[in-house]
Amino acid sequence: DTGVSQDPRHKITKRGQNVTFRCDPISEHNRLYWYRQTLGQGPEFLTYFQNEAQLEKSRLLSDRFSAERPKGSFSTLEIQRTEQGDSAMYLCASSLGMGTPYSNQPQHFGDGTRLSIL
Amino acid sequence: KQEVTQIPAALSVPEGENLVLNCSFTDSAIYNLQWFRQDPGKGLTSLLLIQSSQREQTSGRLNASLDKSSGRSTLYIAASQPGDSATYLCAVLQGGSEKLVFGKGTKLTVNP
Repeated sequence: DTGVSQDPRHKITKRGQNVTFRCDPISEHNRLYWYRQTLGQGPEFLTYFQNEAQLEKSRLLSDRFSAERPKGSFSTLEIQRTEQGDSAMYLCASSLGMGTPYSNQPQHFGDGTRLSIL
Repeated sequence: KQEVTQIPAALSVPEGENLVLNCSFTDSAIYNLQWFRQDPGKGLTSLLLIQSSQREQTSGRLNASLDKSSGRSTLYIAASQPGDSATYLCAVLQGGSEKLVFGKGTKLTVNP
């Protein structure tokens, strides 16, 4: 169990640029989640995949955000035309779905990608 | 809309003290509740998960309880150590969704 891996750990970019983050879940986990966390707040849900299917999206995920999970393994989160308000820690988590509709297994988090917009 | 509140926002205790962190949620239709620990600049470490049908879970010096009908959970830490210093977050998995709804956390400092 190597844990959830996220890359890069830090990203600094100018306003208006596009950025892409990668998440590698725990290898046998079929469920993958993206959250965003700002300073002093708890994480906020962005989106959820079961295998390669994106099954749930938050209203926070504007049309500038897109997430993919091709082949049901790693996932990418892209932000286009970044804005100052996108500065945050982007966290990825994974869990093992056991066939029930909703997971009774804990979500395991990576160390996140910290995005800073200049 | 589910709201999760954690009290206190910050807590400072001497080493060796037993302590309780509180979490409350507004909608009792939850599937489970999870407690996490977050160290500065790091991701979240899962500590305990309590199913909606359970009353408590224990792991080492940690004990978490759940009273779903009243919308409350507590995390009890026995014999606190400086290494326990971190932010503790509680999150509920809302029925009908896969998203965790988090509180803002309690920042714990254990002084040697």
